[in-house]
Amino acid sequence: DAEITQSPRHKITETGRQVTLACHQTWNHNNMFWYRQDLGHGLRLIHYSYGVHDTNKGEVSDGYSVSRSNTEDLPLTLESAASSQTSVYFCASSRDSYGYTFGSGTRLTVV
Amino acid sequence: QKEVEQNSGPLSVPEGAIASLNCTYSDRVSQSFFWYRQYSGKSPELIMSIYSNGDKEDGRFTAQLNKASQYVSLLIRDSQPSDSATYLCAVNWSGGSNYKLTFGKGTLLTVNP
Repeated sequence: DAEITQSPRHKITETGRQVTLACHQTWNHNNMFWYRQDLGHGLRLIHYSYGVHDTNKGEVSDGYSVSRSNTEDLPLTLESAASSQTSVYFCASSRDSYGYTFGSGTRLTVV
Repeated sequence: QKEVEQNSGPLSVPEGAIASLNCTYSDRVSQSFFWYRQYSGKSPELIMSIYSNGDKEDGRFTAQLNKASQYVSLLIRDSQPSDSATYLCAVNWSGGSNYKLTFGKGTLLTVNP
Protein backbone atom coordinates (compact mmCIF):
# COMPACT_ATOMS: atom_id res chain seq x y z
CA ASP A 1 0.00 0.00 0.00
CA ALA A 2 1.12 3.55 -0.71
CA GLU A 3 2.20 5.53 2.31
CA ILE A 4 4.03 8.59 3.56
CA THR A 5 6.66 8.03 6.23
CA GLN A 6 8.59 10.41 8.42
CA SER A 7 11.76 9.73 10.33
CA PRO A 8 12.78 9.91 13.03
CA ARG A 9 9.59 9.87 15.13
CA HIS A 10 11.34 11.61 18.01
CA LYS A 11 14.58 13.56 18.13
CA ILE A 12 16.42 15.58 20.73
CA THR A 13 19.18 17.86 19.52
CA GLU A 14 21.32 20.65 20.84
CA THR A 15 21.08 24.32 20.00
CA GLY A 16 23.19 25.21 16.98
CA ARG A 17 23.30 21.75 15.43
CA GLN A 18 22.10 21.02 11.92
CA VAL A 19 19.18 18.61 11.83
CA THR A 20 17.47 16.90 8.90
CA LEU A 21 13.99 15.40 9.10
CA ALA A 22 13.10 12.87 6.44
CA CYS A 23 9.85 12.54 4.51
CA HIS A 24 9.26 9.76 1.96
CA GLN A 25 6.05 9.07 0.05
CA THR A 26 5.13 6.25 -2.29
CA TRP A 27 1.88 7.82 -3.55
CA ASN A 28 3.70 9.35 -6.54
CA HIS A 29 2.25 12.71 -5.54
CA ASN A 30 3.76 15.82 -7.10
CA ASN A 31 2.90 18.09 -4.17
CA MET A 32 4.71 17.82 -0.86
CA PHE A 33 4.51 20.08 2.19
CA TRP A 34 6.13 20.61 5.58
CA TYR A 35 4.16 22.04 8.51
CA ARG A 36 4.94 22.60 12.15
CA GLN A 37 2.26 22.33 14.82
CA ASP A 38 2.46 24.25 18.08
CA LEU A 39 -0.08 24.87 20.82
CA GLY A 40 -1.86 28.13 20.16
CA HIS A 41 -0.67 28.34 16.57
CA GLY A 42 -2.08 25.32 14.84
CA LEU A 43 -0.46 24.02 11.68
CA ARG A 44 1.84 26.50 9.94
CA LEU A 45 3.40 25.99 6.53
CA ILE A 46 7.20 25.92 6.42
CA HIS A 47 8.12 24.91 2.85
CA TYR A 48 6.44 23.17 -0.02
CA SER A 49 7.19 21.69 -3.43
CA TYR A 50 5.11 21.08 -6.54
CA GLY A 51 7.61 18.78 -8.22
CA VAL A 52 11.23 17.79 -8.67
CA HIS A 53 13.61 20.72 -8.25
CA ASP A 54 10.73 23.02 -7.23
CA THR A 55 10.73 24.50 -3.69
CA ASN A 56 8.81 27.38 -2.16
CA LYS A 57 8.81 29.21 1.17
CA GLY A 58 5.82 29.13 3.46
CA GLU A 59 4.84 31.50 6.25
CA VAL A 60 7.47 30.32 8.77
CA SER A 61 10.44 29.38 6.58
CA ASP A 62 13.23 31.26 8.39
CA GLY A 63 15.89 28.82 9.63
CA TYR A 64 14.62 25.94 7.48
CA SER A 65 15.46 24.64 4.02
CA VAL A 66 14.27 21.86 1.71
CA SER A 67 15.40 20.25 -1.51
CA ARG A 68 13.50 18.02 -3.95
CA SER A 69 15.74 15.77 -6.01
CA ASN A 70 13.10 13.12 -6.74
CA THR A 71 9.33 12.69 -6.50
CA GLU A 72 9.39 10.58 -3.35
CA ASP A 73 11.44 12.67 -0.88
CA LEU A 74 11.34 16.14 0.64
CA PRO A 75 13.84 16.36 3.51
CA LEU A 76 13.56 19.34 5.88
CA THR A 77 16.82 20.79 7.22
CA LEU A 78 17.17 23.04 10.24
CA GLU A 79 20.39 24.89 9.51
CA SER A 80 21.22 25.78 13.12
CA ALA A 81 18.63 24.47 15.54
CA ALA A 82 17.09 26.93 18.00
CA SER A 83 14.84 26.31 21.01
CA SER A 84 12.04 28.11 19.15
CA GLN A 85 12.08 25.25 16.65
CA THR A 86 10.99 22.73 19.26
CA SER A 87 7.75 21.49 17.74
CA VAL A 88 5.92 18.64 16.06
CA TYR A 89 6.68 18.53 12.34
CA PHE A 90 4.30 17.04 9.80
CA CYS A 91 5.02 16.21 6.20
CA ALA A 92 2.11 15.90 3.78
CA SER A 93 1.60 15.09 0.13
CA SER A 94 -1.24 15.50 -2.33
CA ARG A 95 -2.23 14.83 -5.90
CA ASP A 96 -3.23 18.05 -7.65
CA SER A 97 -5.71 19.98 -5.50
CA TYR A 98 -7.08 17.08 -3.51
CA GLY A 99 -6.71 16.89 0.25
CA TYR A 100 -3.43 16.10 1.90
CA THR A 101 -2.23 12.80 3.25
CA PHE A 102 -0.10 13.39 6.34
CA GLY A 103 2.84 11.48 7.71
CA SER A 104 2.85 10.40 11.33
CA GLY A 105 4.95 13.36 12.46
CA THR A 106 8.34 14.02 14.05
CA ARG A 107 8.55 15.43 17.55
CA LEU A 108 11.69 17.57 17.73
CA THR A 109 13.12 18.94 20.96
CA VAL A 110 15.97 21.45 20.85
CA VAL A 111 17.82 21.76 24.16
CA GLN B 1 -3.10 38.08 5.80
CA LYS B 2 -5.53 35.33 4.91
CA GLU B 3 -6.98 33.67 7.97
CA VAL B 4 -9.06 30.68 8.92
CA GLU B 5 -10.94 31.04 12.20
CA GLN B 6 -12.38 28.31 14.40
CA ASN B 7 -13.77 28.33 17.91
CA SER B 8 -11.14 26.48 19.95
CA GLY B 9 -13.76 24.85 22.17
CA PRO B 10 -13.95 22.54 23.87
CA LEU B 11 -17.30 21.66 22.38
CA SER B 12 -18.99 19.06 24.53
CA VAL B 13 -21.98 17.04 23.30
CA PRO B 14 -23.74 13.93 24.63
CA GLU B 15 -23.51 10.65 22.78
CA GLY B 16 -26.07 10.44 19.98
CA ALA B 17 -26.39 14.21 19.58
CA ILE B 18 -25.45 16.34 16.57
CA ALA B 19 -22.12 18.12 16.85
CA SER B 20 -21.80 21.33 14.85
CA LEU B 21 -18.34 22.69 14.07
CA ASN B 22 -17.88 26.05 12.41
CA CYS B 23 -15.19 27.80 10.42
CA THR B 24 -14.91 31.23 8.81
CA TYR B 25 -12.29 32.38 6.35
CA SER B 26 -11.10 35.77 5.23
CA ASP B 27 -10.76 35.55 1.43
CA ARG B 28 -13.91 35.46 -0.68
CA VAL B 29 -12.00 33.93 -3.63
CA SER B 30 -11.14 30.70 -1.79
CA GLN B 31 -11.30 27.60 -3.96
CA SER B 32 -11.71 24.48 -1.84
CA PHE B 33 -12.32 23.50 1.75
CA PHE B 34 -11.41 20.53 3.89
CA TRP B 35 -12.14 19.10 7.30
CA TYR B 36 -9.52 17.04 9.11
CA ARG B 37 -9.81 15.07 12.32
CA GLN B 38 -6.81 14.83 14.63
CA TYR B 39 -6.70 12.52 17.62
CA SER B 40 -4.36 13.48 20.44
CA GLY B 41 -0.77 12.63 19.54
CA LYS B 42 -1.68 11.58 16.01
CA SER B 43 -1.53 13.17 12.58
CA PRO B 44 -4.50 14.86 10.89
CA GLU B 45 -6.68 12.69 8.67
CA LEU B 46 -8.96 13.96 5.93
CA ILE B 47 -12.65 13.36 6.56
CA MET B 48 -14.45 15.72 4.16
CA SER B 49 -13.79 18.02 1.24
CA ILE B 50 -16.21 20.51 -0.31
CA TYR B 51 -15.77 22.70 -3.36
CA SER B 52 -19.13 24.32 -4.12
CA ASN B 53 -21.94 25.97 -2.18
CA GLY B 54 -24.40 23.72 -0.42
CA ASP B 55 -24.24 20.50 1.54
CA LYS B 56 -22.14 17.40 1.03
CA GLU B 57 -22.94 14.27 3.00
CA ASP B 58 -20.73 11.26 3.73
CA GLY B 59 -22.12 8.83 6.26
CA ARG B 60 -22.63 10.62 9.58
CA PHE B 61 -20.74 13.69 8.35
CA THR B 62 -22.18 16.66 6.46
CA ALA B 63 -20.09 19.58 5.26
CA GLN B 64 -21.85 22.85 4.48
CA LEU B 65 -20.36 25.68 2.46
CA ASN B 66 -21.62 29.23 2.03
CA LYS B 67 -19.11 31.23 0.00
CA ALA B 68 -21.12 34.47 0.21
CA SER B 69 -20.88 34.36 4.01
CA GLN B 70 -17.34 32.88 3.91
CA TYR B 71 -18.47 30.10 6.18
CA VAL B 72 -17.97 26.35 6.19
CA SER B 73 -19.31 23.93 8.78
CA LEU B 74 -19.16 20.27 9.69
CA LEU B 75 -22.08 18.42 11.23
CA ILE B 76 -21.57 15.06 12.90
CA ARG B 77 -24.81 13.15 13.42
CA ASP B 78 -25.25 10.47 16.08
CA SER B 79 -22.00 11.53 17.74
CA GLN B 80 -19.93 8.75 19.28
CA PRO B 81 -17.22 8.87 21.95
CA SER B 82 -14.79 7.82 19.21
CA ASP B 83 -15.52 11.15 17.50
CA SER B 84 -13.78 12.95 20.37
CA ALA B 85 -10.86 14.71 18.68
CA THR B 86 -9.70 18.07 17.39
CA TYR B 87 -11.29 19.07 14.09
CA LEU B 88 -9.26 21.23 11.74
CA CYS B 89 -10.73 23.38 8.99
CA ALA B 90 -8.46 24.01 5.99
CA VAL B 91 -8.80 26.34 3.03
CA ASN B 92 -7.09 26.41 -0.35
CA TRP B 93 -6.94 30.06 -1.37
CA SER B 94 -5.68 29.60 -4.93
CA GLY B 95 -6.73 27.53 -7.87
CA GLY B 96 -4.63 25.77 -10.45
CA SER B 97 -0.96 25.20 -9.72
CA ASN B 98 -0.73 27.26 -6.51
CA TYR B 99 -2.38 24.70 -4.28
CA LYS B 100 -1.60 24.81 -0.58
CA LEU B 101 -3.74 24.71 2.55
CA THR B 102 -4.10 27.17 5.40
CA PHE B 103 -5.41 25.58 8.57
CA GLY B 104 -7.48 26.92 11.41
CA LYS B 105 -6.28 26.23 14.94
CA GLY B 106 -8.91 23.56 15.42
CA THR B 107 -11.93 22.87 17.61
CA LEU B 108 -11.69 20.25 20.35
CA LEU B 109 -14.80 18.07 20.40
CA THR B 110 -15.67 15.88 23.38
CA VAL B 111 -18.51 13.37 23.08
CA ASN B 112 -19.72 12.24 26.49
CA PRO B 113 -21.11 8.68 26.89
